[in-house]
Amino acid sequence: EAQVTQNPRYLITVTGKKLTVTCSQNMNHEYMSWYRQDPGLGLRQIYYSMNVEVTDKGDVPEGYKVSRKEKRNFPLILESPSPNQTSLYFCASSLRRRSTDTQYFGPGTRLTVL
Amino acid sequence: ELKVEQNPLFLSMQEGKNYTIYCNYSTTSDRLYWYRQDPGKSLESLFVLLSNGAVKQEGRLMASLDTKARLSTLHITAAVHDLSATYFCAVEPTSGTYKYIFGTGTRLKVLA
Repeated sequence: EAQVTQNPRYLITVTGKKLTVTCSQNMNHEYMSWYRQDPGLGLRQIYYSMNVEVTDKGDVPEGYKVSRKEKRNFPLILESPSPNQTSLYFCASSLRRRSTDTQYFGPGTRLTVL
Repeated sequence: ELKVEQNPLFLSMQEGKNYTIYCNYSTTSDRLYWYRQDPGKSLESLFVLLSNGAVKQEGRLMASLDTKARLSTLHITAAVHDLSATYFCAVEPTSGTYKYIFGTGTRLKVLA
């Protein structure tokens, strides 16, 4: 089944404790992306990757890191989480930029930073 | 600044009625996407609009794109309760950035 998976689905942590949210897709997509969703703000892009080893900042990259060492995986790293990073996070992938297809979204990770 | 604005933000409507959600964007784009999100769930793709004048229909939903006006509409015909959800539009700018820009969403509630 074609899908985007994220882990964990729920995470409660404390300020300053490094964490990684994994994202994996099995569709051989080139473009992958991370979003955060906050009430009243819609989805805001954190980072995106055009392909392996090619990443760039989205609109809200502060406090986040990413890497793309393999085509299928695009982990999101919070080196020192803070309470303002409490949010719902989505990973998404698409075949490539400006393809005729849509983005496919993972199930989401709800993160709470105390 | 690249902006995508949806209106209304909230919409409560009776079953059987028609309504339109608007998505205005500030950048040059020939690609626009509509998604649906149910409470506590992920985003599900509804429509991909790839050119000026594109129109797509699925059941009671019809989406259109006017790239010259930088406007997309999502029209709901004879609403039913199952259409209650949050609807997002997203724009893929033609040049200058490789980002996707999402609107803030329209929360639709269809009352029986």
